[in-house]
Amino acid sequence: GAVVSQHPSWVICKSGTSVKIECRSLDFQATTMFWYRQFPKQSLMLMATSNEGSKATYEQGVEKDKFLINHASLTLSTLTVTSAHPEDSSFYICSADRQGNYGYTFGSGTRLTVV
Amino acid sequence: GDSVTQMEGPVTLSEEAFLTINCTYTATGYPSLFWYVQYPGEGLQLLLKATKADDKGSNKGFEATYRKETTSFHLEKGSVQVSDSAVYFCALREGYQKVTFGIGTKLQVIP
Repeated sequence: GAVVSQHPSWVICKSGTSVKIECRSLDFQATTMFWYRQFPKQSLMLMATSNEGSKATYEQGVEKDKFLINHASLTLSTLTVTSAHPEDSSFYICSADRQGNYGYTFGSGTRLTVV
Repeated sequence: GDSVTQMEGPVTLSEEAFLTINCTYTATGYPSLFWYVQYPGEGLQLLLKATKADDKGSNKGFEATYRKETTSFHLEKGSVQVSDSAVYFCALREGYQKVTFGIGTKLQVIP
């Protein structure tokens, strides 16, 4: 079946540094990938839609310059949290659009802790 | 816009009890409906789906029927196990648009 690999699964970084999270579709091509953020005890909030070869589409209220998204190939999208602060600590999950009438295939998520 | 409403929980059940997690939705068109499960510390896994009215999705003993007349997609399982303890998300998708999630319902099954 379709597999999406997300790396790293957890990361701790110092305030002010940048962190890159990778999302790879292992056995299918994904022209579109999605990045979600999940706060404790809350649902997933869509941050942005990543389109291969073009700029990402950000949801309202999400800072483009803070959450940089690059979708350079049909199997890889990256999310870079720039100048991270403690309030950016969260669980970030990517998903890839497998063509057809499916739900998306999700990565295993990345727990980011900014200290 | 589209929305999904599900019971917040937590839901605590004894092993082998019957489970129902309610989910209702609003959508402008004819969405596909999904249940996802998230085990502690992990990402989401698709549990089951239904793409049109009266379809029944099923997997691992879980079932949900797409009810257009009541705009519902309730999740049921006849006999839960401790290993079913997780957070369950109801979701919908219209065409190739983004997925809209419910708030998630935490299920805790005690021996």
